[in-house]
Amino acid sequence: EAAVTQSPRSKVAVTGGKVTLSCHQTNNHDYMYWYRQDTGHGLRLIHYSYVADSTEKGDIPDGYKASRPSQENFSLILELASLSQTAVYFCASSDTGQGPEVFFGKGTRLTVV
Amino acid sequence: QQQVRQSPQSLTVWEGETAILNCSYENSAFDYFPWYQQFPGEGPALLISILSVSNKKEDGRFTIFFNKREKKLSLHIADSQPGDSATYFCAASPNRIFFGDGTQLVVKP
Repeated sequence: EAAVTQSPRSKVAVTGGKVTLSCHQTNNHDYMYWYRQDTGHGLRLIHYSYVADSTEKGDIPDGYKASRPSQENFSLILELASLSQTAVYFCASSDTGQGPEVFFGKGTRLTVV
Repeated sequence: QQQVRQSPQSLTVWEGETAILNCSYENSAFDYFPWYQQFPGEGPALLISILSVSNKKEDGRFTIFFNKREKKLSLHIADSQPGDSATYFCAASPNRIFFGDGTQLVVKP
């Protein structure tokens, strides 16, 4: 069973503070992704990576940085958290570029106050 | 711009009925259409998928109907069960995947 583990599962951050969301996969997949989900909306791609030490911008990268230090680990960094970044964040992995199956973690609920 | 559109935003059916979830897309290059199911507190998980060379895909109670000419597809959930209550995302991909905003399905017993 493919496994994508996110930590923490929930976090409250202060506006202007730094937040790091972590993701670990045991699927041996090359591709990893960070998505954001807001109430009533689908999944929007923030950053993705197809190889260690390299990241690519997704559709909504502003205000976010990503880091892929190894094949298994992929982090999302909010250098200056803002209220508008309150959302649920999902990490995912796949063995090809978005197909045939993307495996998601359980999500991190981030609240910025 | 929204690449994949879903309707309705929410749907309530009674147990045993067929739930029909709709999806449309704009990009003719899309050739792979997965549907993901998401339960509260969980990440989405692949439910069923179809390639654009097919017009129908069945997996148990779940069936995708695909109309390439009209760029529309639908997910039919037959004999709906309360356990099917979840959010369903239609997605489309040529190489990267685009998700719709989801349909929240509630199945009442």
